Amino acid sequence: SQQGEEDPQALSIQEGENATMNCSYKTSINNLQWYRQNSGRGLVHLILIRSNEREKHSGRLRVTLDTSKKSSSLLITASRAADTASYFCATDGGSSYKLIFGSGTRLLVRP
Amino acid sequence: DGGITQSPKYLFRKEGQNVTLSCEQNLNHDAMYWYRQDPGQGLRLIYYSQIVNDFQKGDIAEGYSVSREKKESFPLTVTSAQKNPTAFYLCASSEPRGETQYFGPGTRLLVL
Repeated sequence: SQQGEEDPQALSIQEGENATMNCSYKTSINNLQWYRQNSGRGLVHLILIRSNEREKHSGRLRVTLDTSKKSSSLLITASRAADTASYFCATDGGSSYKLIFGSGTRLLVRP
Repeated sequence: DGGITQSPKYLFRKEGQNVTLSCEQNLNHDAMYWYRQDPGQGLRLIYYSQIVNDFQKGDIAEGYSVSREKKESFPLTVTSAQKNPTAFYLCASSEPRGETQYFGPGTRLLVL
């Protein structure tokens, strides 16, 4: 069963705007990760945030984690057309070996 | 050039046929994984292997089989028992703690 659920399912924005995606999960975690998938391709790891962290930055990406609400958000600032992709959150569900993926947010950045 | 390769990119299966998807990695990772992705959906875990000669079923293992005879290779066989095999199949690997996973480009399986 899916652990993470992303919201919204689809997002369309203009180039230069910020994009925010949310992820909710059900069980306790050690960490939460965000991945990007371009159409018809494999997934690429973006960022990992541990359960004892509240916020993390990487370039134009900002991730927050609220373990009390079992939720995370991914903010992409100053979006570009090249950011068009599907974005997935993944949790470890407390396990060291398995990741549980949400159903993803499809982001379209219009030039 | 390190990474994970999957072949073929497209694979066609006839009724009642077993087909094998290849996954090779040169990242020296112990752990490898197979996922299935249906259109507009997330990834579901089929099988995973933490070490050579050992593997465990994931959430949707029925109709699939794997082997892990070499560290670099983790082939997936889609058997005739898998009645709805049309999907995008992704292979991944990770270091033993399994935090960040590295993905191959995927194989799209279609049924004739």
